[in-house]
Amino acid sequence: SAVISQKPSRDICQRGTSLTIQCQVDSQVTMMFWYRQQPGQSLTLIATANQGSEATYESGFVIDKFPISRPNLTFSTLTVSNMSPEDSSIYLCSDGPLLLRGLGKNIQYFGAGTRLSVL
Amino acid sequence: GIQVEQSPPDLILQEGANSTLRCNFSDSVNNLQWFHQNPWGQLINLFYIPSGTKQNGRLSATTVATERYSLLYISSSQTTDSGVYFCAVKSTGTASKLTFGTGTRLQVTL
Repeated sequence: SAVISQKPSRDICQRGTSLTIQCQVDSQVTMMFWYRQQPGQSLTLIATANQGSEATYESGFVIDKFPISRPNLTFSTLTVSNMSPEDSSIYLCSDGPLLLRGLGKNIQYFGAGTRLSVL
Repeated sequence: GIQVEQSPPDLILQEGANSTLRCNFSDSVNNLQWFHQNPWGQLINLFYIPSGTKQNGRLSATTVATERYSLLYISSSQTTDSGVYFCAVKSTGTASKLTFGTGTRLQVTL
């Protein structure tokens, strides 16, 4: 199974500030994914982080609010900008298909999540 | 996009009981995974099962892709089985995007 390290594991932030979440995977992957889980809800995809190109955002999520970086094939960051209490959620990163062809990985793994509370 | 509905939404069991969780999806899929989210929020992979049947200890899963549903069976439940169970699918037409179901919240009591 993949090893995905995510940090911080939790944080309490003041409204109007920004938080950057880091995600490190143990293999080179073509894509990485960022999800949000609001309290009591299911997981919703925020965006797909592509190496060498802009992230692809899902409907309802914009780059100004959730800027994403993908500097290499094993690392990505998600920033939650200008936070409000409505941003209080668990944010999870996930790995995508392996870069090396032929190893064919279909199973998607998740980091332990970042539990964010905004006051 | 694809819709993924799970039932029941909530389930309370006594320790030792068996249960069946269902996942219905609205389109053909090439990937289906079952996850257990523990009380600390960690998502644990249970099964990768786009079709067929698999078993792992007290858990087993069956996916009937042609009828667009999957079932997760939990036998002899234990308190450590408590948490939320999610199925997640990739629609045949949407490449790598994994869409999560609505979830089933399970509580196992002594």
